[in-house]
Amino acid sequence: EAGVAQSPRYKIIEKRQSVAFWCNPISGHATLYWYQQILGQGPKLLIQFQNNGVVDDSQLPKDRFSAERLKGVDSTLKIQPAKLEDSAVYLCASSLAGGNTEAFFGQGTRLTVV
Amino acid sequence: KQEVTQIPAALSVPEGENLVLNCSFTDSAIYNLQWFRQDPGKGLTSLLLIQSSQREQTSGRLNASLDKSSGRSTLYIAASQPGDSATYLCAVNYGQNFVFGPGTRLSVLP
Repeated sequence: EAGVAQSPRYKIIEKRQSVAFWCNPISGHATLYWYQQILGQGPKLLIQFQNNGVVDDSQLPKDRFSAERLKGVDSTLKIQPAKLEDSAVYLCASSLAGGNTEAFFGQGTRLTVV
Repeated sequence: KQEVTQIPAALSVPEGENLVLNCSFTDSAIYNLQWFRQDPGKGLTSLLLIQSSQREQTSGRLNASLDKSSGRSTLYIAASQPGDSATYLCAVNYGQNFVFGPGTRLSVLP
C-alpha cells in the first residue's frame, strides 16, 4: 500500500515570497490533515478536510495561509507572503475517516524562510 | 482546553535497558491514542494505536497502555537498542483531529 506522498521535501525561500506544498493521501482516505511542526515541538493542526470540505481550519493563519483539496483527493497548502516564523516542517496526514481511525503521515516538507 | 504533555522531554539510556515514556492528556473524552516515532528530518511513523475501549496494545518490544480515567498513557520499550534512538510523540484523537504532545527525545547509547 502506497503511503502519503508529499513534495517537495525541502524548500528555501526569502521572506515575503510565496510557496506551495502538495500532498497525495493514501487511496480511499476521506480525511486529510495539514500540520505544522516547529523545531522541538509537536505538530500543530492547520487544517482538516473531509473529502473536499473543510472540517476545521481554526488554527490556520488565513491572512497568509490557504489550502484546498480539489476533487477530494490531492491537496495543496500555500503560504503567501512567507514570514521567518513560518520556518517549520509541514506534515500531511490522512485517515479513512475522522473518529477512531488511524492516521498515516507523509515525510513532510521542510521549509526554511530566510 | 485539550492539552497533551510528555515526560521526560529527553532521555539517554545504555543499550539493553527497559524504559518507559509517559504521555498525559487533560480531556479524557478521547477516541483513541497513537504513539509515533520521528527520526531527524523525517515524517511520523505510527507505532501503536490504542482505541479508547482498550487498555493496552503490543507490537514486538513495544507495549502501550492507556488509562483514560486518569488521562495517561505509557509506552514501554523493552531491551532498548541504538536503533530505537528517535523522538517519540503521542497523539490524542478527539474525533475531529489529533492533539500532539511535544515528544520525548530518546538516545540509546551502544
